[in-house]
Parts: sequence; C-alpha cells; structure tokens
Amino acid sequence: EVQLVESGGGLVQPGGSLRLSCAASGFTFSSYWMSWVRQAPGKGLEWVANIKQDGSEKYYVDSVKGRFTISRDNAKNSLYLQMNSLRAEDTAVYYCARDQIMDGDPFDYWGQGTLVTVSS
Amino acid sequence: DIQMTQSPSSLSASVGDRVTITCRASQGIRNDLGWYQQKPGKAPKRLIYAASSLQSGVPSRFSGSGSGTEFTLTISSLQPEDFATYYCLQHNSYLYTFGQGTKLEIK
Repeated sequence: EVQLVESGGGLVQPGGSLRLSCAASGFTFSSYWMSWVRQAPGKGLEWVANIKQDGSEKYYVDSVKGRFTISRDNAKNSLYLQMNSLRAEDTAVYYCARDQIMDGDPFDYWGQGTLVTVSS
Repeated sequence: DIQMTQSPSSLSASVGDRVTITCRASQGIRNDLGWYQQKPGKAPKRLIYAASSLQSGVPSRFSGSGSGTEFTLTISSLQPEDFATYYCLQHNSYLYTFGQGTKLEIK
C-alpha cells in the first residue's frame, strides 16, 4: 500500500524557517518524481515544487523561488521542503504527492498534509 | 507559464443531475491534464488522468474529454457523495498549474 506521511509543520514567525519531511512507503520511491502542493485556508490548490528521481532537476512556483528548496534522500525514501524567509502568505496545508514516473501522469497518491502557520 | 481557467467557480445541482466543468489552458497542453476531487479536510483524489482516462476505482459516472486547450469533466448522474470541490491540473511543463476550482453544492 502506497503511503505518504508528512511531518514538520507548525507555527513559525515571519522571516523564520521550517523543514517539512515526507516519508514514503509501498512503492519504489527512487523511480518517481515527487512534488509538494499547498493549500492556503479556504483557497485552492497550488503546486509548489517538484524534483526528479535522482534530484538533478528541480522546479518551483515563482512565489517560492529563492526561499524554498526541495530535496530528497532515496536511501531513506524521504522528500523534504526547506522553507526560509517565510511570509504570512505561505500559511497553508502542505501536501506531499507522488509525481510522474516517466512522462506519465502525476499525483495519483497524496499525503494527509501538514499545516504551516506563519504568524507573529 | 501555462494558465488554467476553470469554470464555473461554483455550481448548484441536484442528485441525479448531469454536470459539466470546463478548464481552458492558455496554450496547447496535448492531453496532459488531470481532474481531482477534494472534500473538506481531506487530501485531493485523482479522478481522471491523461484528460480522459478513468482512475482505477472511480465510478464510471465520471468522465473527461478534451485535448489541446479545452477540457471538460462530466458527472453523468450526481450522487450525494459527489458534492465536493473539483480541480483540473495541467502538467505539460514541469511548472504545473491547477485551475481555480469548482465547488459543487447541493441545490
């Protein structure tokens, strides 16, 4: 059974940092791109970033470029999102999602989400 | 970047109705589009991939169509459990974009 479990969310002050983790199981993690998707309270879904199987390619939505860094550890079946210089508008539930395997179709599995609140 | 325009933003319908939701891409995306259902407090669930392929386990009353820039999600006969918010997602480029969402409510 495919499982994605996020952790690391919480309350942080504006300008602060937080590192999210996603533990994957039930599939060959190293074979898939992986993504982070977020949802601000009462708002729609926003794709945040993704990373290639070997970590050699990474893409970000413009609003987080230069502040967030996506990474992965295939030996630990884990995905990460380092979030720096956090702003109030980064407040959201952050989901880890399985992306495509090879020019396929993304987001067939999602985690339950972890809430990040940026507030003083 | 590719923009996705989804309509309507909200829709009121009754059990048994047929409903259609549309997404329009700002440029051609072949069939690189999926449809997702989200219920309050839950993670999204994929319904359709490759614009028209039904995800395993999803009822056949859901269907998708389109290619290029115009896409539709159709629910042929609404059931009580279908009242939720629906999103399209384009993945033609590695910079993915979701539509704004359609909230489907009970009339």
